[in-house]
Amino acid sequence: QQPVQSPQAVILREGEDAVINCSSSKALYSVHWYRQKHGEAPVFLMILLKGGEQKGHDKISASFNEKKQQSSLYLTASQLSYSGTYFCGTEGGNGNTPLVFGKGTRLSVIA
Amino acid sequence: GAVVSQHPSWVICKSGTSVKIECRSLDFQATTMFWYRQFPKQSLMLMATSNEGSKATYEQGVEKDKFLINHASLTLSTLTVTSAHPEDSSFYICSARGRSGGGPVLTGELFFGEGSRLTVL
Repeated sequence: QQPVQSPQAVILREGEDAVINCSSSKALYSVHWYRQKHGEAPVFLMILLKGGEQKGHDKISASFNEKKQQSSLYLTASQLSYSGTYFCGTEGGNGNTPLVFGKGTRLSVIA
Repeated sequence: GAVVSQHPSWVICKSGTSVKIECRSLDFQATTMFWYRQFPKQSLMLMATSNEGSKATYEQGVEKDKFLINHASLTLSTLTVTSAHPEDSSFYICSARGRSGGGPVLTGELFFGEGSRLTVL
């Protein structure tokens, strides 16, 4: 089942923060986050495998609440390069299954 | 890092013709590949799971006779859109998970190809 992402779209000024949420109606094995620029393939950001896990790289981080079956992606001090559509992909069962992607969150960072 | 290469990156064809898209894993063995389709401003929708040496598993609503998938080797999967029609115009993206170091455990990350934009006139 497709995870639900929110918000659908967000506009930020450079330096502002944003949170993108991803929730599922089913138990999750893992959550993956990707960013896609227009006309390009998705680019991997990070994967969260364990409930309670938090990860970060540079100013982008994410958390995975296994019990609540949801994950959040945090973008701090946003840069123009952060613009794009963010997708969460979820995996159920014991893993080794195809990712099911949410509808995406369109992020626009303006100067 | 692992690389998945897709070819061609774009193709324009006439209605009724067939188009083949190749997906190669360049530095790892991809026992499983996934084919996604993405319409403009929409999400990536899984079409099928391609397993090396066996038949592909298609998602509900995807015509297996129209979208032929062949995964003949550990580094190559192909998607052939047969008798293409304008409504088949889309962005097709393959992705792969490999076996880290040749062992039994699949890596968690899903590696995407560059995508192939199909336009059917």
